[in-house]
Amino acid sequence: QLQLQESGPGLVKPSETLSLSCSVSGGSIRSNNYYWGWIRQPPGKGLEWIGSVYFTGNTYFNPSLKSRVTISVDTSKNQFSLNLSSVTAADTAVYYCASQLGAVAGLDFWGQGTLVTVSS
Amino acid sequence: QSVLTQPPSVSGAPGQRVTISCTGSSSNIGAGYDVHWYQQLPGTAPKLLIYGNNNRPSGVPDRFSGSKSGTSASLAISGLQAEDEADYYCQSYDSSLSGSVVFGGGTKLTVL
Repeated sequence: QLQLQESGPGLVKPSETLSLSCSVSGGSIRSNNYYWGWIRQPPGKGLEWIGSVYFTGNTYFNPSLKSRVTISVDTSKNQFSLNLSSVTAADTAVYYCASQLGAVAGLDFWGQGTLVTVSS
Repeated sequence: QSVLTQPPSVSGAPGQRVTISCTGSSSNIGAGYDVHWYQQLPGTAPKLLIYGNNNRPSGVPDRFSGSKSGTSASLAISGLQAEDEADYYCQSYDSSLSGSVVFGGGTKLTVL
């Protein structure tokens, strides 16, 4: 079964860009019909979908974050990445990566999550 | 403000049955898109509990069941156990938001 693992800095300064990667093991990121997504959860709050990418590079974003988000896939490394620009304290959250077998399917495998704090 | 609406909290005694509702609209649940449910134990990542409205992944006890009707869905938990105390989230797809994954605000289940 798939295993996902997030990596990246735990502290980002305001106005800078948050960058995270998600390594996929136990399967290929090129698997047909699999989408690869990012979800975040501010402390004490609910889940918010950030966006998803297909191995072809097609991307889909939460409209509320679209102007600041880039998601890319690196098939040679079997990983995908998130960039969130112009961060503020409101972007402080646990960031999860997850897999999704189809655009309307459930998120079946999740990484353990990584806390990113935005602070100077 | 979440696209899908859930009650903030529910509670029940061990052995009882509880339900958690998830209300959407004509652009998500009402449009026929599947509803999925997640269980999030304290300090852990969410876990897929129900997919495709009423299907359980391997390993999920049959005490958990899902249903969907119209613009709403429900998660039922029977034979409540202390280990079921967690946050529960519903999720679907919304066609009016550039093809977005949408979540409910989450429901905290307390086992009395």
